[in-house]
Amino acid sequence: GENVEQHPSTLSVQEGDSAVIKCTYSDSASNYFPWYKQELGKRPQLIIDIRSNVGEKKDQRIAVTLNKTAKHFSLHITETQPEDSAVYFCAAKGSGNTPLVFGKGTRLSVIA
Amino acid sequence: ETGVTQTPRHLVMGMTNKKSLKCEQHLGHNAMYWYKQSAKKPLELMFVYSLEERVENNSVPSRFSPECPNSSHLFLHLHTLQPEDSALYLCASSQNPGAQETQYFGPGTRLLVL
Repeated sequence: GENVEQHPSTLSVQEGDSAVIKCTYSDSASNYFPWYKQELGKRPQLIIDIRSNVGEKKDQRIAVTLNKTAKHFSLHITETQPEDSAVYFCAAKGSGNTPLVFGKGTRLSVIA
Repeated sequence: ETGVTQTPRHLVMGMTNKKSLKCEQHLGHNAMYWYKQSAKKPLELMFVYSLEERVENNSVPSRFSPECPNSSHLFLHLHTLQPEDSALYLCASSQNPGAQETQYFGPGTRLLVL
């Protein structure tokens, strides 16, 4: 089955700097890669996703890149703000009824 | 914030108790999920229901028993749990289980087993 590895497990950046979180997956048939943000004490919420027919997707300060050949995808947050502090989860999903498989999460701290 | 609701939000139970977690989705979705979230572990999928039929069961111990009476409601019945079952239990829903779609999560039930 699918296996998703996420790095780093914790990340601290200064406000205004960029943050990058990387994930690798094992199943070459995976074709959907969402990213979720979970603030302290709150539920995970989708912030951006990418499908396998696209190499990059951007939404304001957030971007995701996908390298299907290398089987890795990354989340990029630019101009970080204190409210970006949260745990970020990547996930990968194969075709058909295969479920989403999540990474272990990255705790991002943005220091003002 | 009211799309997927869960009750109770917090639960403390002994190992001999029986309790149930409830999830309700108001999004008109066809698929519902139970996840377990423990510290320093990835979200673990426990059960998937599609149109009230269980389509995924990730070898979860029998002390966890799901029930899906209709497409809007999902329960997780708990009995004779172990301390290692203490975790945040998250419910989620999506339009269909197999499509590339967003899953919407509930706020979770934080469970402590003594």
